[in-house]
Amino acid sequence: GIQVEQSPPDLILQEGANSTLRCNFSDSVNNLQWFHQNPWGQLINLFYIPSGTKQNGRLSATTVATERYSLLYISSSQTTDSGVYFCAVLKTSYDKVIFGPGTSLSVIP
Amino acid sequence: DADVTQTPRNRITKTGKRIMLECSQTKGHDRMYWYRQDPGLGLRLIYYSFDVKDINKGEISDGYSVSRQAQAKFSLSLESAIPNQTALYFCATSGGRTGSHGSNQPQHFGDGTRLSIL
Repeated sequence: GIQVEQSPPDLILQEGANSTLRCNFSDSVNNLQWFHQNPWGQLINLFYIPSGTKQNGRLSATTVATERYSLLYISSSQTTDSGVYFCAVLKTSYDKVIFGPGTSLSVIP
Repeated sequence: DADVTQTPRNRITKTGKRIMLECSQTKGHDRMYWYRQDPGLGLRLIYYSFDVKDINKGEISDGYSVSRQAQAKFSLSLESAIPNQTALYFCATSGGRTGSHGSNQPQHFGDGTRLSIL
């Protein structure tokens, strides 16, 4: 099956700082999503981005499908950005979504 | 109202009890999924269904069963709960309207059910 790795596993930022989270995957995929799990456990869908670049406010994501990685960029971080960020990939022939282990982000005032 | 609703949101029960977690959706999606999340780990797939007559095992199906009673409902059962099934459980949906191919569509998650088995 597909292996999904995320880095870094943990990250502590001062409020206002920028960060880049990375997701590597071991095979070509048809679908990639980024999620934010907030401290209450809810999974928030950030981006559906099988390829290319998207932006939503202070967040942006880029997937380079040919090189099998995706980046999530957080600018001007806020304490509400704290939580765990997951990438999840799907390969149509497997028909199941595989989650990475997540990056735990703490933004301190 | 939420598009994907899980009930209950929290449950504490004893070893050996039968538990059912419910999931309903108003998105009209064909595909529904049950995941489990353990502390510090990502989500692992338990079961998934592509329509009412279709049930498929995920990577950790032992000790669980599911029922897809209708296009909008997908329930997860623990026939005899054990403490290592204590976890956060998520239901998700994907795909377009009935009959469409949803394999490339994003997944949408419910708010989760916190299950504790004593």
